[in-house]
Amino acid sequence: SQTIHQWPATLVQPVGSPLSLECTVEGTSNPNLYWYRQAAGRGLQLLFYSVGIGQISSEVPQNLSASRPQDRQFILSSKKLLLSDSGFYLCAWSIQGPYEQYFGPGTRLTVT
Amino acid sequence: KNQVEQSPQSLIILEGKNCTLQCNYTVSPFSNLRWYKQDTGRGPVSLTIMTFSENTKSNGRYTATLDADTKQSSLHITASQLSDSASYICVVSAISGTYKYIFGTGTRLKVLA
Repeated sequence: SQTIHQWPATLVQPVGSPLSLECTVEGTSNPNLYWYRQAAGRGLQLLFYSVGIGQISSEVPQNLSASRPQDRQFILSSKKLLLSDSGFYLCAWSIQGPYEQYFGPGTRLTVT
Repeated sequence: KNQVEQSPQSLIILEGKNCTLQCNYTVSPFSNLRWYKQDTGRGPVSLTIMTFSENTKSNGRYTATLDADTKQSSLHITASQLSDSASYICVVSAISGTYKYIFGTGTRLKVLA
C-alpha cells in the first residue's frame, strides 16, 4: 500500500531563516506531487506541483521554491522566511490524471 | 472563473442528529468532485469521489449527492458522532488539467454530546 511521509511535524523558525520541508511517498511510481499551504481557518492553497523528476510548476509567486530530486521525494524550501509563511503545509500525491489526491500528515510552521 | 463555495461555514449539532453540508461549484469542464474530511492538525482524508454520471455515493454514514445540471453537491451525515467533528472540504477537478483541483474553504462541523 502507498504511504506518504512529511517531516518535520512542527517547526518554529525566526524571520529571515531558511526552510526545508521534505515529503516522500512509498509504494507507487511516477506520482504527481503537490505542496499546499493552509492558513488558519482558510482553505488549501496550491503552491507547487510536479509531474516528474525535476519538473516543477508554481501556482503562486512567493519566496518559496520546490524541488523533486527523486521520483518520490518532494522538497519545499525558502532562503529567507517571512512572517506570512506561517501555516500548515501539506504534501499530497496522486496518480497521473485528475484523480484522487492523498495527503500527508502536514507540517505546522510558525515563523516568529 | 473556477470556484467552489461551501455552506455553511460552520455548524454545531448534537450527537445522534443528521446534517447536510452544501457545495456549489462553477468549474468547467467538470471531471469529478470529492469530499474530504480534515481533522484539526491533520491532512485531509477522502470520503467520496463522484464523476459526472454519478448521482449519489455512500461511505458508511456519509452520503454524497451530485447534481451536475445545477452544479451542486451535498454531503449528508447520518447519526452524527463526536468523531465527526472536523472540517469537510469539497474539491472539484477540471478535465482540462491534471492539476486543476479547486478547493472549497470547507465547513467546520462540531458535534456536541
